Amino acid sequence: GIQVEQSPPDLILQEGANSTLRCNFSDSVNNLQWFHQNPWGQLINLFYIPSGTKQNGRLSATTVATERYSLLYISSSQTTDSGVYFCAVLMNTGFQKLVFGTGTRLLVSP
Amino acid sequence: SAVISQKPSRDICQRGTSLTIQCQVDSQVTMMFWYRQQPGQSLTLIATANQGSEATYESGFVIDKFPISRPNLTFSTLTVSNMSPEDSSIYLCSVEDAGNEKLFFGSGTQLSVL
Repeated sequence: GIQVEQSPPDLILQEGANSTLRCNFSDSVNNLQWFHQNPWGQLINLFYIPSGTKQNGRLSATTVATERYSLLYISSSQTTDSGVYFCAVLMNTGFQKLVFGTGTRLLVSP
Repeated sequence: SAVISQKPSRDICQRGTSLTIQCQVDSQVTMMFWYRQQPGQSLTLIATANQGSEATYESGFVIDKFPISRPNLTFSTLTVSNMSPEDSSIYLCSVEDAGNEKLFFGSGTQLSVL
């Protein structure tokens, strides 16, 4: 099956710093989403981004589908950005099944 | 986006018992998905529940262990049967936003099995 790897696995930042999270996938996809799981376990959908670039406040995401990767940028990080970030992909097989990546655990300290 | 209510939010259960998790959506949705997140791990799809038909289970998950009901377009339940400590996980239901395949999650059920 498709492999979805995220890097780095863990990241510690000082408040105000910028960061880039990466998602690599092993096969062509027609749907890619980024999620944030806060320390209480709630999953929030950040972006639906099968290709191109989107921005939402301090967050932006870019997917280069032909090269099988996506990037999530966090600028001016805040302590509330802490948690785990997952990318998830839907394969080009017609099956409605999102495959989640390995996750990046982010800790933003004050 | 859909509002998803999931309950219970957490439970501590004894080995050999069963727990039923409920998921209620504020709008009609075609498909509902049940995921498991083991401690410190990513999410794994258990099954897809369509209204009016049997759920479709992923490899490694069976109906006898994780029976699912989907009586209407806004509600589903997942039962974790004959529990063992290895079933201790977060269980999450999710739905696709109408028309754009964006996935939204309930708040999850934190299950601990003693």
